[in-house]
Amino acid sequence: GENVEQHPSTLSVQEGDSAVIKCTYSDSASNYFPWYKQELGKRPQLIIDIRSNVGEKKDQRIAVTLNKTAKHFSLHITETQPEDSAVYFCGTSYGKLTFGQGTILTVHP
Amino acid sequence: GAVVSQHPSRVICKSGTSVKIECRSLDFQATTMFWYRQFPKQSLMLMATSNEGSKATYEQGVEKDKFLINHASLTLSTLTVTSAHPEDSSFYICSARGTGLAAPYEQYFGPGTRLTVT
Repeated sequence: GENVEQHPSTLSVQEGDSAVIKCTYSDSASNYFPWYKQELGKRPQLIIDIRSNVGEKKDQRIAVTLNKTAKHFSLHITETQPEDSAVYFCGTSYGKLTFGQGTILTVHP
Repeated sequence: GAVVSQHPSRVICKSGTSVKIECRSLDFQATTMFWYRQFPKQSLMLMATSNEGSKATYEQGVEKDKFLINHASLTLSTLTVTSAHPEDSSFYICSARGTGLAAPYEQYFGPGTRLTVT
């Protein structure tokens, strides 16, 4: 089955800095790569996603890059704000969604 | 659009009893629903995938006789935890994917159910 590795497990940045979270996957059939933000006790919220026919996608302060050859993709958050503090999960999907282990992002004011 | 509800949000039950959790798609037809379990400070682990009118497909290591999944309609799936034990205490989250949506490959998550078995 699919194996998704996410790094780092924790990330601490100062407000205004950039944050980067990386994921690698094993199944070359995966064709959909979402990123979720989850606050404590709440449901995961989709923040950005990318399909396998696209190499990069941007939405305001958030961007995702995908390298299908190397089987890795990354989440980039620029100009971080304290409200960006949460757990972030990457996902890969070819029918069913497999999550990475999660990254606890803390943005210090 | 694409709202998924889950009920109850929290449930406490005694060891040995059964608990049913409902997952509903409110404004779309959910052809596929997924059930996840999330332990504290861990990722979401897929338990099973259910297609409307078909038997659920369980992930390796998930006991199908303990976690009964029914997807009898295009808007409702239920997860029943039978003979619950304290180790079943967890956060259970459903998600749904369906037809007629702008992003049919996207999964929409319910708010989750916190199960505590005493």
